[in-house]
Amino acid sequence: DTAVSQTPKYLVTQMGNDKSIKCEQNLGHDTMYWYKQDSKKFLKIMFSYNNKELIINETVPNRFSPKSPDKAHLNLHINSLELGDSAVYFCASSQGVFQPQHFGDGTRLSIL
Amino acid sequence: DQQVKQNSPSLSVQEGRISILNCDYTNSMFDYFLWYKKYPAEGPTFLISISSIKDKNEDGRFTVFLNKSAKHLSLHIVPSQPGDSAVYFCAAEIQGAQKLVFGQGTRLTINP
Repeated sequence: DTAVSQTPKYLVTQMGNDKSIKCEQNLGHDTMYWYKQDSKKFLKIMFSYNNKELIINETVPNRFSPKSPDKAHLNLHINSLELGDSAVYFCASSQGVFQPQHFGDGTRLSIL
Repeated sequence: DQQVKQNSPSLSVQEGRISILNCDYTNSMFDYFLWYKKYPAEGPTFLISISSIKDKNEDGRFTVFLNKSAKHLSLHIVPSQPGDSAVYFCAAEIQGAQKLVFGQGTRLTINP
């Protein structure tokens, strides 16, 4: 019973392509997030959504567009992929303040 | 501007001994702190948290200490077990901000 699941786990693609990463949580949480872990292993927030509404956009290029069809799903679309987009992307969810975030296993994106 | 710092990239401890992982932060607005454990190719797993109104929280072998005046927190694991070998991330949150700020992680190795 995976609480936060992301697909695909690995994504290898060419520069300039458009790709999507999907995330689903079965915890009944109201808030979902996308984080990026770069080559230096820093985990940084990209977006957060609460009940399908965008709460945080941390100055991410507009080539990245999150979409939340319902509160259990938060997908990440990336247009015109660049070499610097190579990273591991983690989805997470939480329920309210002072509640821990639960993470998926990550999607490793490699741009050739 | 790194607001949460883990200055030790790695730590090696003998099985059965105490492991102490440290974390410093600069933003006095942080009021919720968490520790996550991460195995390779998996997402961070929540371990333990503490709010700024407390200075200690204990859960089994794991204890987190918070020193607000020094802007320092630490995670104690006792006794350390081989399964504790992983990367440990410290994270902090400002109430209502709904985003975690992570340290860069400390790789803990427990030697038999």
